[in-house]
Amino acid sequence: KNEVEQSPQNLTAQEGEFITINCSYSVGISALHWLQQHPGGGIVSLFMLSSGKKKHGRLIATINIQEKHSSLHITASHPRDSAVYICAVGADSNYQLIWGAGTKLIIKP
Amino acid sequence: DVKVTQSSRYLVKRTGEKVFLECVQDMDHENMFWYRQDPGLGLRLIYFSYDVKMKEKGDIPEGYSVSREKKERFSLILESASTNQTSMYLCASGSSTGRAFFGQGTRLTVV
Repeated sequence: KNEVEQSPQNLTAQEGEFITINCSYSVGISALHWLQQHPGGGIVSLFMLSSGKKKHGRLIATINIQEKHSSLHITASHPRDSAVYICAVGADSNYQLIWGAGTKLIIKP
Repeated sequence: DVKVTQSSRYLVKRTGEKVFLECVQDMDHENMFWYRQDPGLGLRLIYFSYDVKMKEKGDIPEGYSVSREKKERFSLILESASTNQTSMYLCASGSSTGRAFFGQGTRLTVV
């Protein structure tokens, strides 16, 4: 079993829909990251969370430390949100990041 | 803005060549990382470094070595490139607070 599990693996939605991507992990963590990778490879760090909730524009990230679960939400989705979204956790035993497999999101106009 | 700069965006090398991938960061981060990314396999850690001249093997170090002579620079070396090392290589740096910053990636093709 992978230490970081993301779901769904693929998601196609219509413009305007509310999107939720989930991440579950099984190790003790110091922080959880949500990253966005666009076609062409560039990776952008969206959020780093150790508790609670963070919001940036139409993006919201939440984390429940007790349940070892995080969600990334996109409100009023737009075709430019199409990308791969990756969850990664920083293990609290060292600084290594443990990566989820990513969620490929396609938003259709 | 934090900058993590990789020396090349695209590289084509021949089998058996020695290949150097350079990464420079400007935020005085202690930690630096080299990953490769392949379709269906996600990001896999090759090596990381937590201080100058210090290095640790990641998940897939075979066929690679690294060098960190200065804090801002972390080099990935392919001693003798092989076709199965064709991949996207990503460098990242991070502070002790945990946030990671990525370079733009180097797409290496070994022919």
